[in-house]
Amino acid sequence: GAVVSQHPSRVICKSGTSVKIECRSLDFQATTMFWYRQFPKKSLMLMATSNEGSKATYEQGVEKDKFLINHASLTLSTLTVTSAHPEDSSFYICSARSGNLNTGELFFGEGSRLTVL
Amino acid sequence: SQKIEQNSEALNIQEGKTATLTCNYTNYSPAYLQWYRQDPGRGPVFLLLIRENEKEKRKERLKVTFDTTLKQSLFHITASQPADSATYLCALDDNQGGKLIFGQGTELSVKP
Repeated sequence: GAVVSQHPSRVICKSGTSVKIECRSLDFQATTMFWYRQFPKKSLMLMATSNEGSKATYEQGVEKDKFLINHASLTLSTLTVTSAHPEDSSFYICSARSGNLNTGELFFGEGSRLTVL
Repeated sequence: SQKIEQNSEALNIQEGKTATLTCNYTNYSPAYLQWYRQDPGRGPVFLLLIRENEKEKRKERLKVTFDTTLKQSLFHITASQPADSATYLCALDDNQGGKLIFGQGTELSVKP
């Protein structure tokens, strides 16, 4: 199956700093990637849809200026958590579809565990 | 309001038995529904997709049903093994650009 690589897998930062998480599709091109957030024992919450070459589409309640998403190429999307605070601590997961945008399975990255001190 | 709910947070069964997980949805009209497996600290892994015009789908020991009248999908693991222990997530499309909306997951524990 297709591979999605996410980096870093774990990051600890001080409150007020910014953190960038990278998501790469290794063996396919992804015009659309999705960013999710997951709290312990909770479901994946869709944060935004990342579109190559254009602005991301954010879900209701997600702060665009807080979670900056850039999709610079067909294989790379980045999520930057700006001025991070302890409440931003969470598990962030990216995903992408290979093939049909509307029906294909999602391939997920391994996730990035962010801890803000 | 729109909801997607999995019947229980946790399910404990004995090895060799069949595990049955339920996914119910409200105020969605999905064209398809998917099931994923997630291990602790890892990203979800795709298992099966079933379309609205399919009643049942099988893959090895896995079976998924989709009842659009009941707005429900059932996920079965036959001859369960301890290695099947994980959290299982159902997900459906919301007919808006390929987004998948996930249920909260059911944590399955298979005891030897």
